[in-house]
Amino acid sequence: GENVEQHPSTLSVQEGDSAVIKCTYSDSASNYFPWYKQELGKRPQLIIDIRSNVGEKKDQRIAVTLNKTAKHFSLHITETQPEDSAVYFCAARKNSNSGYALNFGKGTSLLVTP
Amino acid sequence: EADIYQTPRYLVIGTGKKITLECSQTMGHDKMYWYQQDPGMELHLIHYSYGVNSTEKGDLSSESTVSRIRTEHFPLTLESARPSHTSQYLCASSFGFANEQFFGPGTRLTVL
Repeated sequence: GENVEQHPSTLSVQEGDSAVIKCTYSDSASNYFPWYKQELGKRPQLIIDIRSNVGEKKDQRIAVTLNKTAKHFSLHITETQPEDSAVYFCAARKNSNSGYALNFGKGTSLLVTP
Repeated sequence: EADIYQTPRYLVIGTGKKITLECSQTMGHDKMYWYQQDPGMELHLIHYSYGVNSTEKGDLSSESTVSRIRTEHFPLTLESARPSHTSQYLCASSFGFANEQFFGPGTRLTVL
């Protein structure tokens, strides 16, 4: 089945710096890659996603890049702010035989210090 | 308001008790999922459903069972709770071939 690896597990940056989180996946048939942000004590919320027919997608300070050949995708946050501090999860969608369920990475705890 | 609701939000019970965690969504979604997550840690898929009368086990072995008698309702049952079941349980849903999964607020379960 699909295996998603996420690095780093923790990341500390200063406010205003950029943060990059990387994920690799194993199933070449995966075609949807979302990123979720989970603040302490809250539910995961989708912040950006990308499909396999696109190489890059940007939404204000957040961007995601996808390299299908290498089977990896990355989250880029520019001009980080303290409110960006959270746990970020990447995911890859399994094939339709699994109910379109998502396979998640283990998460990256991002801390943005003022 | 369209949302996913989970009850109870917090539950502390003794070993051996039978419990049901409720999940309902008013989003008109056909697919529903249960994840187990220790706080801030990896999300593990334990059950999913394509639609009414469809249920499947996920990747993480779980002693829980689920049912899907109504589209909007996807309860999870533990017949005999154990301390190893202590965790947070997150319900999620999505629609058709669209990919975004929306999560409920979670139930934090503690088994003594």
